[in-house]
Amino acid sequence: GENVEQHPSTLSVQEGDSAVIKCTYSDSASNYFPWYKQELGKRPQLIIDIRSNVGEKKDQRIAVTLNKTAKHFSLHITETQPEDSAVYFCAASNFNKFYFGSGTKLNVKP
Amino acid sequence: NAGVTQTPKFQVLKTGQSMTLQCAQDMNHEYMSWYRQDPGMGLRLIHYSVGAGITDQGEVPNGYNVSRSTTEDFPLRLLSAAPSQTSVYFCASSYRQEYGYTFGSGTRLTVV
Repeated sequence: GENVEQHPSTLSVQEGDSAVIKCTYSDSASNYFPWYKQELGKRPQLIIDIRSNVGEKKDQRIAVTLNKTAKHFSLHITETQPEDSAVYFCAASNFNKFYFGSGTKLNVKP
Repeated sequence: NAGVTQTPKFQVLKTGQSMTLQCAQDMNHEYMSWYRQDPGMGLRLIHYSVGAGITDQGEVPNGYNVSRSTTEDFPLRLLSAAPSQTSVYFCASSYRQEYGYTFGSGTRLTVV
C-alpha cells in the first residue's frame, strides 16, 4: 500500500515568515494530493489540493508543489499569521483510498 | 446541507462491549471512509466504500466492521471493544476521488 511521510513534525515560525511542509509518497500510481488543516478539537478541513498532471498550484498565501519523479510534494505558506497555527496533514490518493501523513504542528508566534 | 454528521460525539465503553458509530451525509457522495486519529500518528484508514453495497478494508481494519446499505449511511461497528481502540474517529465523504474529503466532526471514544 501507499506510505506517506511528512516532515517536520513541528514547525515554529515568526509571524510574517514563510513555512514549508514536505511530504513524500511511495506509490507511483497516486494521482491526487490534498492538504488539510486541523485546528485544535476540530475536524480536518481541505485547504488546497493538486492533481498529478499539475506541478504547482497557488491560492492566495498558500501554494503546493508536486514533483512526481521524486515522489514528493510540499505546502508553502507565505506571510504567516497567528491564525495559521494548526496541524497540517498531507495526503496521497490512488483511486479509492486516501493515505495521510502523520501531521505537522505549525506554531506562528506573534 | 448538514454535510457529514457523526453520532455520538463522545462515548465511553467497557472492554468487551460492542457499539456502532453512526455516519450520515446528505451530499449524495459516493465515497465514504472511516479514519481513526491517534496522537502523532495522523489519520489511519479503517474501512472505505465507493458506493452502496461496496466496502473494503483500509490500513487498520481489525476489530471493526462496516456496511453500506444506502448512499447516505456508513456505520462503523466495534465488535468487542479494547483499550487500543481508544481514539478519535472521523467519518469522511467525497463526490469523487479527486475532490478531496469532507470530514464529520468526529467521535471521541474511550475504552476502559
